[in-house]
Amino acid sequence: GQQLNQSPQSMFIQEGEDVSMNCTSSSIFNTWLWYKQDPGEGPVLLIALYKAGELTSNGRLTAQFGITRKDSFLNISASIPSDVGIYFCAGGGSQGNLIFGKGTKLSVKP
Amino acid sequence: EAGVVQSPRYKIIEKKQPVAFWCNPISGHNTLYWYRQNLGQGPELLIRYENEEAVDDSQLPKDRFSAERLKGVDSTLKIQPAELGDSAVYLCASKRAIGADTQYFGPGTRLTVL
Repeated sequence: GQQLNQSPQSMFIQEGEDVSMNCTSSSIFNTWLWYKQDPGEGPVLLIALYKAGELTSNGRLTAQFGITRKDSFLNISASIPSDVGIYFCAGGGSQGNLIFGKGTKLSVKP
Repeated sequence: EAGVVQSPRYKIIEKKQPVAFWCNPISGHNTLYWYRQNLGQGPELLIRYENEEAVDDSQLPKDRFSAERLKGVDSTLKIQPAELGDSAVYLCASKRAIGADTQYFGPGTRLTVL
């Protein structure tokens, strides 16, 4: 099935670092959503974006809906150990279905 | 507010056996989704219900997969017979209404087919 291009695939962080990840698509979406998934759990919604150009924050997380409606990014500032996990972007179309990226795995530097 | 409930959390079966997964969405959520998530991938839609009607089952492998949501609340996803390639996490999600995009996910059922 169709999936979005999400990058990077994985990254290592040290506590206190800022993190950036993004998602691109060849298709236009009406909404962009960012989820986090911990091992053995379902995805949990972090941020939802509904308008092109929209910039939304949720605590240390900031996400933007690209002006072309084909991309979005998520930034995490001052990362903490509990930020580790897999982050998924998802694009929503007019039918209400979501298309997901392959995820960005965030790990702590040894 | 209780979240999306799924059971079982884990299931191990031998190939060619049947298996069923159950989902109870968030109260008041009319739209229910079943997704399959393969290892290292994002969730992929299998079927979407609006109340009791399956409005999008284009990605459901209908030769072996079936789903129902008889009263527009709980839903069951069945595989019969299971194949090795069906090993995955099966996620259920729900949202309030058509037009609202915020889907809430359950913890998933991890299926292993031996």
